[in-house]
Amino acid sequence: DTGVSQNPRHKITKRGQNVTFRCDPISEHNRLYWYRQTLGQGPEFLTYFQNEAQLEKSRLLSDRFSAERPKGSFSTLEIQRTEQGDSAMYLCASSLSSGAETQYFGPGTRLLVL
Amino acid sequence: QKEVEQDPGPLSVPEGAIVSLNCTYSNSAFQYFMWYRQYSRKGPELLMYTYSSGNKEDGRFTAQVDKSSKYISLFIRDSQPSDSATYLCSVEDSNYQLIWGAGTKLIIKP
Repeated sequence: DTGVSQNPRHKITKRGQNVTFRCDPISEHNRLYWYRQTLGQGPEFLTYFQNEAQLEKSRLLSDRFSAERPKGSFSTLEIQRTEQGDSAMYLCASSLSSGAETQYFGPGTRLLVL
Repeated sequence: QKEVEQDPGPLSVPEGAIVSLNCTYSNSAFQYFMWYRQYSRKGPELLMYTYSSGNKEDGRFTAQVDKSSKYISLFIRDSQPSDSATYLCSVEDSNYQLIWGAGTKLIIKP
């Protein structure tokens, strides 16, 4: 399967713990995006990378969130000191730089903070 | 006002019916318009994208953009129970970011 993959698929954690998610994009895609989605809402943009450079970060993104894409391939999203409000589906998508409109999504990581 | 508005539904139709899903948007500068399908507990799947005004057809799906009224539509012909999902519209802004509607839940009754 050459689509976008995300791990883990599900994560349950206690409030205050740190969590890290991984995204492996489609291999030839140099753009990688992170979104958060809650029930009944469309995806909410968090941040995106062009190769290894983080080009944009949502103003809504707390300092507890950090993302990396060290070699321009896979990416990680870390949430520090998780809060119950962080419970959501975290989606990763990738695209070619010339085709931001054609983003392909992974299956998501569903996070539950107790 | 949200930049992209979409009726959350649910929209329930019998199998075989023609389905019409719609969104409105606020910024006339938007040029790319996308429709995604999302099954429960899965990531969104790109169905179609359209540049500027006009129609685009792919099998049973037709996307339509009317820039004069800032209105985008997705039509599904011969709807199947497997089409039951949430349909999300999105537009691309000037920073190449996607702005999303909240999604319309579609139910096709056998």
